[in-house]
Amino acid sequence: DSGVTQTPKHLITATGQRVTLRCSPRSGDLSVYWYQQSLDQGLQFLIQYYNGEERAKGNILERFSAQQFPDLHSELNLSSLELGDSALYFCASSVESGDSTDTQYFGPGTRLTVL
Amino acid sequence: AQKVTQAQTEISVVEKEDVTLDCVYETRDTTYYLFWYKQPPSGELVFLIRRNSFDEQNEISGRYSWNFQKSTSSFNFTITASQVVDSAVYFCALSDLWGSGNTPLVFGKGTRLSVIA
Repeated sequence: DSGVTQTPKHLITATGQRVTLRCSPRSGDLSVYWYQQSLDQGLQFLIQYYNGEERAKGNILERFSAQQFPDLHSELNLSSLELGDSALYFCASSVESGDSTDTQYFGPGTRLTVL
Repeated sequence: AQKVTQAQTEISVVEKEDVTLDCVYETRDTTYYLFWYKQPPSGELVFLIRRNSFDEQNEISGRYSWNFQKSTSSFNFTITASQVVDSAVYFCALSDLWGSGNTPLVFGKGTRLSVIA
């Protein structure tokens, strides 16, 4: 168990809908990352938050947004869903000590199926 | 630009055989970090090892060992005496030190290892 929790574990929805994925980082970790794993694109970085502020953006669609709350949990919002958004969405967290790259520990993932 | 290549898409071995998973990386930075993660059939990503660019010592952890060679930009992973429980997809990943923080991980495509009893 990495200590990172994600809910829900599975999500099935229809095209055009909106969903929210939730992530709670490990205790003490300030940084949260979101990654998408799909068959054709592999594991891709979407967005990173550090202590409530957006720090880095990757291949995140405009239909997707995220935020990190004062208690450090994060939510990834996916809207106007398309069939191609079906994927496994991972959240990862790290301490971000500043003087070295910290290990990112991953949650169990949320499997999103868009029908 | 950063890039991680895992040329072996799938490997199948018989239990107790040794197997090496290859990882080749590209980065322009002098300070960087390499990782291996395991994704078993249950789907979670499990951290295995982190290595920084200044430490080329090989590492052994039980049946797992890692060989880091900067000269060939490779960070290979060997499982000795493989077991059925080693069956999983293994990902190699790269991150740079960026300012006061870390860059996100860049992953290879993964190698699916099947260990047959």
